[in-house]
Amino acid sequence: ETGVTQSPTHLIKTRGQQVTLRCSSQSGHNTVSWYQQALGQGPQFIFQYYREEENGRGNFPPRFSGLQFPNYSSELNVNALELDDSALYLCASSLGGFVNTGELFFGEGSRLTVL
Amino acid sequence: AQSVTQLDSHVSVSEGTPVLLRCNYSSSYSPSLFWYVQHPNKGLQLLLKYTSAATLVKGINGFEAEFKKSETSFHLTKPSAHMSDAAEYFCVVTGGSQGNLIFGKGTKLSVKP
Repeated sequence: ETGVTQSPTHLIKTRGQQVTLRCSSQSGHNTVSWYQQALGQGPQFIFQYYREEENGRGNFPPRFSGLQFPNYSSELNVNALELDDSALYLCASSLGGFVNTGELFFGEGSRLTVL
Repeated sequence: AQSVTQLDSHVSVSEGTPVLLRCNYSSSYSPSLFWYVQHPNKGLQLLLKYTSAATLVKGINGFEAEFKKSETSFHLTKPSAHMSDAAEYFCVVTGGSQGNLIFGKGTKLSVKP
């Protein structure tokens, strides 16, 4: 059983640029959610995808967008990067859609630095 | 709205002594509560969860937590700390209509030899 893998692990961008982060979910999991973890803070929910459709979104602006593919892998895209977007971005996979049992399997994250 | 408050940002214990990480919750309905652990440069891992069954919940690596509705608390304990327990611990509650997880700010546990 493969775990959740994320790429890239680290990246540096400048303000105004765009970034795409990728996530492969755990085998058999059909739900992917993304969280942003700023330094010294707990993770904050960005959005969730279930069977290729967004079915939940946190308090993040539209420049944060995502995709889920038929194989349940996912991308997080952030446009017009701001300094405050610097954070660890965590992908988590689970079974089930809207109702979250809390049993999420997390990847190790992609650390984004915006200069 | 659902929320959790972790009462200590940093806890330091000696190896072999008990661990207590404190968490209070706020919920408009019967909550599901969790503790997750994050080791340096590792992903978050579920330690244990409470979903309205037994109020004393046992998790991995000897950790347990007790749900106390009267005190709105869900403190994490371990009888004897090990060096490998050094990590960041997050108290978590399930959210509202989104069904997402709401994390506390975390408690960093240090274990001294």
